[in-house]
Amino acid sequence: GAGVSQTPSNKVTEKGKYVELRCDPISGHTALYWYRQSLGQGPEFLIYFQGTGAADDSGLPNDRFFAVRPEGSVSTLKIQRTERGDSAVYLCASSLGGGGNTEAFFGQGTRLTVV
Amino acid sequence: GENVEQHPSTLSVQEGDSAVIKCTYSDSASNYLPWYKQELGKRPQLIIDIRSNVGEKKDQRIAVTLNKTAKHFSLHITETQPEDSAVYFCAAYGSGNTGKLIFGQGTTLQVKP
Repeated sequence: GAGVSQTPSNKVTEKGKYVELRCDPISGHTALYWYRQSLGQGPEFLIYFQGTGAADDSGLPNDRFFAVRPEGSVSTLKIQRTERGDSAVYLCASSLGGGGNTEAFFGQGTRLTVV
Repeated sequence: GENVEQHPSTLSVQEGDSAVIKCTYSDSASNYLPWYKQELGKRPQLIIDIRSNVGEKKDQRIAVTLNKTAKHFSLHITETQPEDSAVYFCAAYGSGNTGKLIFGQGTTLQVKP
């Protein structure tokens, strides 16, 4: 595709519910990243995929958060038992390679609101 | 752990003046240092980047300088225009080049007409 696409653009959910956020990276990009951005803050690293495998998931805040990328393209970030503190914009990015040497292109984000 | 410090948090300049934003990174192994611009409600977009084997890079009104010894890098915007108003983030890759891009806290730049 032309760019990184994230769906939905907005999601409102009730506390305790389960949500899935989807990311479609740029075609051919092997590296995919998830970030969380709270108001007035910089993007906070969550997880990085190289192909199908999670190369670094050290940013996931707890075991309620999980992400998959089964075919090395689309990725889904899953949040169980959502809490109000999970409210933020979740950003996905992809890059042609990995290893920290190439430009990361961001999607427009999913704004998650937990009420 | 990896850390990127950025300042100032806010910066207001008159149109036509220069703006400088400074960052310090903690991991001496970081070899790729990008700068992103984020307009309100939009995605971060890369505006310039520098590799650690280069001391300076320029692209029209934007330049980035790097002091690798001190682990400092700065964004310079000359002849600022109102459309430069946005939040700017510096970033650095974490140890071992795992792809863990660490962002600074951001600088809100306001260019007054």
